[in-house]
Amino acid sequence: KAGVTQTPRYLIKTRGQQVTLSCSPISGHRSVSWYQQTPGQGLQFLFEYFSETQRNKGNFPGRFSGRQFSNSRSEMNVSTLELGDSALYLCASSLGQGARRYEQYFGPGTRLTVT
Amino acid sequence: DQQVKQNSPSLSVQEGRISILNCDYTNSMFDYFLWYKKYPAEGPTFLISISSIKDKNEDGRFTVFLNKSAKHLSLHIVPSQPGDSAVYFCAASEWDKIIFGKGTRLHILP
Repeated sequence: KAGVTQTPRYLIKTRGQQVTLSCSPISGHRSVSWYQQTPGQGLQFLFEYFSETQRNKGNFPGRFSGRQFSNSRSEMNVSTLELGDSALYLCASSLGQGARRYEQYFGPGTRLTVT
Repeated sequence: DQQVKQNSPSLSVQEGRISILNCDYTNSMFDYFLWYKKYPAEGPTFLISISSIKDKNEDGRFTVFLNKSAKHLSLHIVPSQPGDSAVYFCAASEWDKIIFGKGTRLHILP
């Protein structure tokens, strides 16, 4: 079974620009979560989508948004980029329900650098 | 306010010995706990989990212990192997929202 894939793997943007990251979950997984990882803060939860609906949301500003498509693929968008948005963005998929709904499988991440 | 804390940023253990990674939490509503392992340039990999109604779960060399009264979670790796060198994240879930600790870097020494 193919794992979680994320594109692009690396991205360099300028302050003020916007960026869209993509995540394809494991086949059969209906939940996709997004995390921001920085050296000082560890893994911070951005939001979770389940069956095309945002089910949970972390404490990030409205510049961070996402969506999920009917095939469970998800995109994350960050508008008006700031230097502090430089981070590794990780996507994780899971069944989203049932006894193993908490077991998430992560993609390799997208390394975003804002200059 | 950190709800999941891993107070040791790093830990060094001799190969073949037991590695014990610790995690404390503050939210008594957490109902599920997980451990993930992360190698450089890769996403975290799910290792083992435990429901809040249990106090121990074992999977091969990995055992997770939960002490609800102390709000403390630990991961035991026995015996430790070179491939266990990685960053380990403790995570906890409430209402399907998963919160991660900042991680502990484990070094297995030859």
